Amino acid sequence: QKEVEQDPGPLSVPEGAIVSLNCTYSNSAFQYFMWYRQYSRKGPELLMYTYSSGNKEDGRFTAQVDKSSKYISLFIRDSQPSDSATYLCAMSARGGYNKLIFGAGTRLAVHP
Amino acid sequence: DAGVIQSPRHEVTEMGQEVTLRCKPISGHDYLFWYRQTMMRGLELLIYFNNNVPIDDSGMPEDRFSAKMPNASFSTLKIQPSEPRDSAVYFCASSLPTGGFPTGELFFGEGSRLTVL
Repeated sequence: QKEVEQDPGPLSVPEGAIVSLNCTYSNSAFQYFMWYRQYSRKGPELLMYTYSSGNKEDGRFTAQVDKSSKYISLFIRDSQPSDSATYLCAMSARGGYNKLIFGAGTRLAVHP
Repeated sequence: DAGVIQSPRHEVTEMGQEVTLRCKPISGHDYLFWYRQTMMRGLELLIYFNNNVPIDDSGMPEDRFSAKMPNASFSTLKIQPSEPRDSAVYFCASSLPTGGFPTGELFFGEGSRLTVL
């Protein structure tokens, strides 16, 4: 069993839809949770970061962490075609880059 | 800043040949990481350096893979001899002196797409 599980998709939604992306994990020591966005033929870039449980909002993006369920989510409101990318969750036990474990990534396509 | 620079962007080679991938990290970043990305296995950490010293190479798949960082502005990942199963996108990333703590922000290059025939 992988430490981090993420549905690879692809996920196709119409412009303006609310998108929910999710990851589950097995290591209860994980405390730092990140979402990276990767456009086609590009490297990943950090989108959101959260520590421990709770929510964090940044514009149209909301990251949620439920440590009791070992489940994290990224919500995208009013999705735009420019949001079309692969979204990778990542997490670590000690913070920073240390043993940052990535999910497989979910491909998202937002069509006009 | 130009960001992390990788070369070559694409490499097609035949099985058994030596492959050298190159990376220039962002100036001032003293952590450097090599990742490999495939459809099957996702993004895997191969090795990382701190101040040019290899810290953890437990992700290097086998002895055919080696990485060096002779100075703060240059690193190489070498595969010798290459095999078809090495076909993947290889990413180099760097991070700030604190290791990106606590955000875990890695700055990735655009990757080197390797195809071994």
